[in-house]
Amino acid sequence: DAKTTQPPSMDCAEGRAANLPCNHSTISGNEYVYWYRQIHSQGPQYIIHGLKNNETNEMASLIITEDRKSSTLILPHATLRDTAVYYCIVRVPAGTALIFGKGTTLSVSS
Amino acid sequence: SAVISQKPSRDICQRGTSLTIQCQVDSQVTMMFWYRQQPGQSLTLIATANQGSEATYESGFVIDKFPISRPNLTFSTLTVSNMSPEDSSIYLCSVAPSGANVLTFGAGSRLTVL
Repeated sequence: DAKTTQPPSMDCAEGRAANLPCNHSTISGNEYVYWYRQIHSQGPQYIIHGLKNNETNEMASLIITEDRKSSTLILPHATLRDTAVYYCIVRVPAGTALIFGKGTTLSVSS
Repeated sequence: SAVISQKPSRDICQRGTSLTIQCQVDSQVTMMFWYRQQPGQSLTLIATANQGSEATYESGFVIDKFPISRPNLTFSTLTVSNMSPEDSSIYLCSVAPSGANVLTFGAGSRLTVL
């Protein structure tokens, strides 16, 4: 079973920041938090991952709480093309698969 | 990151037949994973395929139904055997390049069984 909890759906206005929460209260010390998204009919796309420090790349920022029991993915300026299902996954990086939960369907509207 | 090519991208098959899906990677990878995504659902891991060893199947998936080959470090196949309409899904392969912490996915093979 997935080890994360996400809201089933969220809405965001185009140009605004999208903040997607994820709870992972049973995360182990060696597990990373990964975020992927799946745009309709495509394979999942990697967004970002982190262990305990906040991370930022060209796509998004990842904020992990100090106790590591939850995190937030931030898309700073959402566009219509960011409409997708977003998956938060905890994983030990070396040699393991990704176990997907149900994710959050983000709808960005103009 | 690795570039993955899956074939076929989509197919329509008759009940009782079998279909083999190919996954080709542009670089050598240690681990490959096969997933199924049923209509409107999330991805479910079918099996892990390492070169030189038998695939490891997840609960609910068996080798007779989903035989997997992994002949080298850049290629794998998944066969869906004796298909029924319930097998209509998108099948995706994913790879973990050696030393990389990020898994890459193929575009998927959309299978419709009539």
